[in-house]
Amino acid sequence: GAVVSQHPSRVICKSGTSVKIECRSLDFQATTMFWYRQFPKQSLMLMATSNEGSKATYEQGVEKDKFLINHASLTLSTLTVTSAHPEDSSFYICSATRRTGYNEQFFGPGTRLTVL
Amino acid sequence: GESVGLHLPTLSVQEGDNSIINCAYSNSASDYFIWYKQESGKGPQFIIDIRSNMDKRQGQRVTVLLNKTVKHLSLQIAATQPGDSAVYFCAEIKDNYGQNFVFGPGTRLSVLP
Repeated sequence: GAVVSQHPSRVICKSGTSVKIECRSLDFQATTMFWYRQFPKQSLMLMATSNEGSKATYEQGVEKDKFLINHASLTLSTLTVTSAHPEDSSFYICSATRRTGYNEQFFGPGTRLTVL
Repeated sequence: GESVGLHLPTLSVQEGDNSIINCAYSNSASDYFIWYKQESGKGPQFIIDIRSNMDKRQGQRVTVLLNKTVKHLSLQIAATQPGDSAVYFCAEIKDNYGQNFVFGPGTRLSVLP
């Protein structure tokens, strides 16, 4: 149990376009979902925390108008990178926590975004 | 500020040997720690966790040790295998709802044949 999926796994887009990444908890209801960004050979950097039905909380330095997060249900959160630029190219990872207990975050497999 | 860091950014071990990956944290407020394994191009995978009321926890081939006195966490992998090659992150959790994770910078483990 506790499987998190992401779609797409890889995406290549042109500069100026927008890209949507989906994060789904497949077999549990996620109280909270998190979005991370990871550059090569670096650790995960938390971008934002989202709770179902409420606005996401963004970390300092993360532009909320550029990285739009929608947490429409207890099993789905989306991250939209708007007007993408080459510097937005990165590995984006989502995670989710379950309603019960206070346990680890369950991570998705990540999405590799390349902006040309 | 608060941070979770690692002593060694890279570690190379011979196949079959034991591996020890270390993590230091500066804030003792958290009460839950997790080790994650991340293979290239994939998301982090849970390996083992430990709560602050414990000093040792064992899993299959892995052991986590927690020394609260010196704020040190370690992951021991017994009989390291090629499939153990990955980046390992420790994470410090600071509240009771599994949020407020702080990840360390990661250690790359390379298993030599």
